[in-house]
Amino acid sequence: AQSVTQLDSQVPVFEEAPVELRCNYSSSVSVYLFWYVQYPNQGLQLLLKYLSGSTLVESINGFEAEFNKSQTSFHLRKPSVHISDTAEYFCAVSEVSGGYQKVTFGTGTKLQVIP
Amino acid sequence: DAMVIQNPRYQVTQFGKPVTLSCSQTLNHNVMYWYQQKSSQAPKLLFHYYDKDFNNEADTPDNFQSRRPNTSFCFLDIRSPGLGDAAMYLCATHTGAGEQYFGPGTRLTVT
Repeated sequence: AQSVTQLDSQVPVFEEAPVELRCNYSSSVSVYLFWYVQYPNQGLQLLLKYLSGSTLVESINGFEAEFNKSQTSFHLRKPSVHISDTAEYFCAVSEVSGGYQKVTFGTGTKLQVIP
Repeated sequence: DAMVIQNPRYQVTQFGKPVTLSCSQTLNHNVMYWYQQKSSQAPKLLFHYYDKDFNNEADTPDNFQSRRPNTSFCFLDIRSPGLGDAAMYLCATHTGAGEQYFGPGTRLTVT
């Protein structure tokens, strides 16, 4: 069985400050890792993903995450946040099983950017 | 262009009155998922389809049913909604790269 832990339920941060949203996972097999973002009353949007290869992955809007296998972590970072980054962020893990991906989501971290 | 479409975006139903939520996808993927998301919680998988094969999660209540008449469309039927079924319902499919692609969701209110 796989699980995802997001230690922080809410993270307030001032605009233009750096932020790190933490994610740890556990699984008995190799996994894919994802970060999704959800704005109010909307569905989840994929922010970035780790499938294989380089352990540092980046999004088009300045977020990055690093896969650390020894620490079973996939923390999300941004060096300078904007008001528009205010949203809820979900870390997720999946393993390929029988042709579909069973995805396990973390409980989410609400990022509140303060002007 | 929207690739996973959910209608309606907001649905109000009465306690015990059956309701159907719809989802369609233009990606032509063979797997579709339905999730329930309550306020400030992670999405919870209700079931998924692999082509026409229906797969129910063990803890999904019998009150929830689904239909997939073709590759593009998938419906969620709630036979007798209770107050505890008020939530955001998310439909998703997945790409070959491993990620899931979500629709915008339908927010269900039960009065």
